Amino acid sequence: EAGVAQSPRYKIIEKRQSVAFWCNPISGHATLYWYQQILGQGPKLLIQFQNNGVVDDSQLPKDRFSAERLKGVDSTLKIQPAKLEDSAVYLCASSLGTGTSTDTQYFGPGTRLTVL
Amino acid sequence: AQSVAQPEDQVNVAEGNPLTVKCTYSVSGNPYLFWYVQYPNRGLQFLLKYITGDNLVKGSYGFEAEFNKSQTSFHLKKPSALVSDSALYFCAVRDPHSGYSTLTFGKGTMLLVSP
Repeated sequence: EAGVAQSPRYKIIEKRQSVAFWCNPISGHATLYWYQQILGQGPKLLIQFQNNGVVDDSQLPKDRFSAERLKGVDSTLKIQPAKLEDSAVYLCASSLGTGTSTDTQYFGPGTRLTVL
Repeated sequence: AQSVAQPEDQVNVAEGNPLTVKCTYSVSGNPYLFWYVQYPNRGLQFLLKYITGDNLVKGSYGFEAEFNKSQTSFHLKKPSALVSDSALYFCAVRDPHSGYSTLTFGKGTMLLVSP
């Protein structure tokens, strides 16, 4: 079974530029998550989708971050404009989304963003 | 609000010795608890979870964890460490009464196994 796919794996941009990350979840997984992992910290949830609807985006900095999952499968996360403090690893995860909170989340390899 | 504490930034153990990585949690009700491992330049890999039932949970790669409700702990253990176990380990908690399935992660513990 294929895992969660993410691209690109690495990205270096200048501050104030824009960047986009792509995620393809495990086939059949209804729930998709985007996390931000800053060096030395645990992952922090940015946004959670159930199919193509947003369930939780309470920690998403909406003035610069946006995400979509138009057809309930792939998702993109965008940052515009980027700030130095956005340098982090952006992790995508998916789960079956059975509606119970016992679901296990499976993570992709992440995208390492460096903002100069 | 739910939270997780991993009190050790780093744990050092010799190969063949038992290892323990500590985790304590805070949640309003009965928690769901998870352990993940992260190798360099890789995403998080699921190791095991506690939902209900037996307090000793067995997971991947010979790891196990013991849920202790009175001490609000969920320590990760392995009877005999391997050099290949060296990685960053994250404990996570979910409040089953929350409307979402949000996981809250600890800051991670680096495990170093020496030959």
